[in-house]
This record gives sequence, structure tokens and C-alpha cells, in this order.
Amino acid sequence: GAGVSQSPSNKVTEKGKDVELRCDPISGHTALYWYRQSLGQGLEFLIYFQGNSAPDKSGLPSDRFSAERTGGSVSTLTIQRTQQEDSAVYLCASSPYYEQYFGPGTRLTVT
Amino acid sequence: QKEVEQDPGPLSVPEGAIVSLNCTYSNSAFQYFMWYRQYSRKGPELLMYTYSSGNKEDGRFTAQVDKSSKYISLFIRDSQPSDSATYLCAMSGASYDKVIFGPGTSLSVIP
Repeated sequence: GAGVSQSPSNKVTEKGKDVELRCDPISGHTALYWYRQSLGQGLEFLIYFQGNSAPDKSGLPSDRFSAERTGGSVSTLTIQRTQQEDSAVYLCASSPYYEQYFGPGTRLTVT
Repeated sequence: QKEVEQDPGPLSVPEGAIVSLNCTYSNSAFQYFMWYRQYSRKGPELLMYTYSSGNKEDGRFTAQVDKSSKYISLFIRDSQPSDSATYLCAMSGASYDKVIFGPGTSLSVIP
């Protein structure tokens, strides 16, 4: 079946611009996670959606970062006024229970 | 102290060796345990997941959980060059709790 998809796969933007990253989870999965991964580094948790509960935003690094999940399905991560330190791969994962299934990621480059 | 610790490596072994990858954790509430494999420039891929203590085997891979020691392991038998990747452990306390990842261990299997 279809896995988690993310778009775009690559995004190059100028410093100060806003970007939106999209995640389409596996149908029926109740949980959705966003992570950030810099080159050669581990996963940095950003935000967690579980069903209709309030999202866990404890990993968002600043108020320039926000995310929403519409209708319990598609999620969008928005980064406002991008900075060079935002350059990384942004990974989305969905989960039916506790195990997570990851998308291929969006590689963001801020110039 | 981080909630989940993992030796970052890099770990280099000859083809055919038995590999042991380990994680320790501090939260005794963790009871769901997962292992992920991540190839360079790809998203993490779920390898195995287990509940509570004990062993689980899948082909050349065996996952082992020792909750009394707060220690989990992934064994890879007859290691292959295609096993060269970063291996991440992950765990959660309840099925819908946020999952916590270890930083990952980089493995190279040399032909």
C-alpha cells in the first residue's frame, strides 16, 4: 500500500522567506510526527499529533515554526522568516499505534 | 542524562560478523521498543518492534529487551555490506505516548 509521502522533496529558499512542507500520512494512522535531521545528526523531535488531542509542540525550536493537521490526515509544517540554521531534512512519520513509518523527507536549503 | 542513550560509533565489522547494537534508557515506564535502520539520505525504516521484555527474531535480526536493566539490543547475524547504515532505537511508555529516539549508531560492514 501507499506509504507516507512528503512534498516537496527538495526546497531551496532565500533567508527571510516563509516555507510550507507537506506530509500525507498512511490512511488510518492516528498519530503524526515531524522531525528535523541535520547532516550526520540524529532525529530532532519537533511536534506530535495524536488523534483529536492537542498537539505536543514541545520540540518546536522557535515561534517561527508551526504545524497543523487538517481532518486528522494531511499535515503542514510552516517555517516563517527562514534562517540558514533551518537548513536540514524535515521528516514526517505516521503511526497506527506506537511503531512509526517515515516519509522520504524534505531537504530544505536556506541560502 | 538523556532518556535514551546509544553509542554513536562508528562501528566497523567484517562481512559475516555478528553485530550487537545497544541502547540504555532511564524511564522505567517504557514498554514499547523499536529499531530503525536509516541509509544515507533516506528516511528511517522500521526494522523490528517489541512489547515489554524478551526476544524477537526476524531472519538475521534479533531484538532483545531487558527491562530490569533498562537495556535493549539488536543483533545482526551474518552481517552483509548492505547492512551498513545508521541504526536507531526508539521507545515509548504507552501505545499512544510520544516515541523517544536514541541518537543512532553508525555501522559499516566491510566486504
